[in-house]
Amino acid sequence: EIVLTQSPATLSLSPGERATLSCRASQSLNVYLAWYQQKPGQAPRLLMYDASNRATGIPARFSGSGSGTDFTLTISSLEPEDFGVYYCQQRKKWPLTFGGGTKVDSK
Amino acid sequence: EVQLLESGGGLVQPGGSLRLSCAASGFTFTSYAMTWVRQAPGKGLEWVSVISISGGNTYYADSVKGRFTVSRDNSKNTLFLQMNSLRAEDTAVYYCAKDLLEGGPYNYFDPWGQGTLVTVSS
Repeated sequence: EIVLTQSPATLSLSPGERATLSCRASQSLNVYLAWYQQKPGQAPRLLMYDASNRATGIPARFSGSGSGTDFTLTISSLEPEDFGVYYCQQRKKWPLTFGGGTKVDSK
Repeated sequence: EVQLLESGGGLVQPGGSLRLSCAASGFTFTSYAMTWVRQAPGKGLEWVSVISISGGNTYYADSVKGRFTVSRDNSKNTLFLQMNSLRAEDTAVYYCAKDLLEGGPYNYFDPWGQGTLVTVSS
């Protein structure tokens, strides 16, 4: 199975700062990677798909990049509502897999 | 507005069975593949199963293969997950989710339901 490794595990930042989250795959995904945001007590929400496409209603401060095995989610300027856990997910091969998550919390 | 409402979770003994349901509304259910994803308490996300539009194609994680069965009733806009031979490690919140695009499965999930908690314990 394809293993997704997210780093860092925790990112402590202040509102207004730039957040850079990484997801590395154990084999090439082409661009078949998504990012989700999960806030405490809530279901995950799709942010990005196919590495760089923003899902409906997602603000422009979120951007995704990468291909192959290395992917990045960038939040250009953190808003208070952006704190939570972020997961990457691949659809290149069965079984579908998620990364372990990066927690973005307030410094 | 798309809505997904899971039900059927609860406390069950090891070796027992449970059937989860996911009632869908606000979109053409018959045009989208559907998925189950679970999250153990305090842990990350784990994909469980996908079912195609017609129900003719199903896919499972190795951890549940042979024990769980996904199905759908397109006449009632409802997705199901039959869970048998339950183990303590199946304890999790179970989410249903709609595929991002029509046709497929495309295997990106948007949106998700609020989840239903399954606890396997004696």
